[in-house]
Amino acid sequence: EPEVTQTPSHQVTQMGQEVILRCVPISNHLYFYWYRQILGQKVEFLVSFYNNEISEKSEIFDDQFSVERPDGSNFTLKIRSTKLEDSAMYFCASTADTPYEQYFGPGTRLTVT
Amino acid sequence: AQKITQTQPGMFVQEKEAVTLDCTYDTSDQSYGLFWYKQPSSGEMIFLIYQGSYDEQNATEGRYSLNFQKARKSANLVISASQLGDSAMYFCAMRENQGGSEKLVFGKGTKLTVNP
Repeated sequence: EPEVTQTPSHQVTQMGQEVILRCVPISNHLYFYWYRQILGQKVEFLVSFYNNEISEKSEIFDDQFSVERPDGSNFTLKIRSTKLEDSAMYFCASTADTPYEQYFGPGTRLTVT
Repeated sequence: AQKITQTQPGMFVQEKEAVTLDCTYDTSDQSYGLFWYKQPSSGEMIFLIYQGSYDEQNATEGRYSLNFQKARKSANLVISASQLGDSAMYFCAMRENQGGSEKLVFGKGTKLTVNP
C-alpha cells in the first residue's frame, strides 16, 4: 500500500540553524500539507500546497518557514533560523483530492537545543 | 472558540468491549468533513474513518464506526470489540469547505487505554 514517507525521523539542531524536513507524498496525490504537533498537544496546520504554490497557511507559518516541491516526488519544509519553540513533531500529509482523507507520514521529530 | 472539542482526556475500556470516544464540532458551513485519526505511542497518525456532512449513513470501517448526529454537531467514534493494540491517542478533526480551505482542524485528543 502506498504511503507518505518522511526523513529524517529525528533531527537535532542548535537554535539559529536552518533545517530542511523532507517528505515524499503518495505518488498520484496532488495536495500536500505540513502540520506540527508540540509534545503533548494537538496537531496544528501549518501550510497547504497545490499546483506548485501555497494555497493556505496558518499564522504559525511565518517568514522563517518555506515549502518547496523541488522535483516530482519530494516536498520539503525549511525553517531558516530555528527557535526553541520550533521543537515539535512535524507531519507531512497528502491527498489525491479534497475533501478526502489526508494520509500522514510518520513524522519528523525536531529538537532544537 | 474551539472548532473541535474532545471532552475525554482519557478513557479506559476492557478488552473485547466497545468504547465510544466523544467529539463535538462547531461550524457554520453546510459542507464539511469529519475525520478520526489514531496516534500510537510510536507517533504516526493513522487515518481511521471519514464522514461527510451530506452522508446520510454513518460511516463504518471494520471495527470503527462514526455516530454522526448532525443536529447535535457530534461525531463520536465507536470502537467495537476493543483490542490491546487499540491503546493510543485518538484525534477528531474537521475540514471545512468555506473559502476552499483544505486544512484539518484537530481536537486535543483522547487517550484510550485498553485493559486486558
